[in-house]
Amino acid sequence: KAGVTQTPRYLIKTRGQQVTLSCSPISGHRSVSWYQQTPGQGLQFLFEYFSETQRNKGNFPGRFSGRQFSNSRSEMNVSTLELGDSALYLCASSLETGELFFGEGSRLTVL
Amino acid sequence: QQQVKQSPQSLIVQKGGISIINCAYENTAFDYFPWYQQFPGKGPALLIAIRPDVSEKKEGRFTISFNKSAKQFSLHIMDSQPGDSATYFCAPQKAGNNRKLIWGLGTSLAVNP
Repeated sequence: KAGVTQTPRYLIKTRGQQVTLSCSPISGHRSVSWYQQTPGQGLQFLFEYFSETQRNKGNFPGRFSGRQFSNSRSEMNVSTLELGDSALYLCASSLETGELFFGEGSRLTVL
Repeated sequence: QQQVKQSPQSLIVQKGGISIINCAYENTAFDYFPWYQQFPGKGPALLIAIRPDVSEKKEGRFTISFNKSAKQFSLHIMDSQPGDSATYFCAPQKAGNNRKLIWGLGTSLAVNP
């Protein structure tokens, strides 16, 4: 059974640019959630999508957005990048509740 | 603001020793208490989890102890091995539609050979 796939794995952007990250969940999982991981803040919840609907949202500015497609694949977008957006962005899929299955993350560096 | 406090921040243990990591939470509505393990360059993976109807759960060398009245749960790693060197996170949650997990800041465990 294939795991959660995140692309790209690494990317470098400059301030003001925007970025789109992609997540393909485990087959059959309809919940996809996104997290930002930084050394000082640990994992912080960005948002969760279930059956193409945003079900929960964390405390991030509107520059962070996401969507989910009918095949459960999800994308997140960060516009007007800031230096502080440099982080590892993790995607996790799950059945409706319970265990989260994480991808290996997309490491974003903003210069 | 719901809070989850994990301690210690870092831990060094000799091979064969016992590693203990604690997690304190505030929300009494939480009913699922997992520990996740993360190796460098990888995403976190569920290690072990407990529901509040039991006070302890053991899986191999890993044990969760749950103290509902103190609003704490702990991860015990018996006979710690160098391969256990990783970062450990607690992420208590309420089952149902709420996936807005509040994560502990993590404990970096190093097991010396």
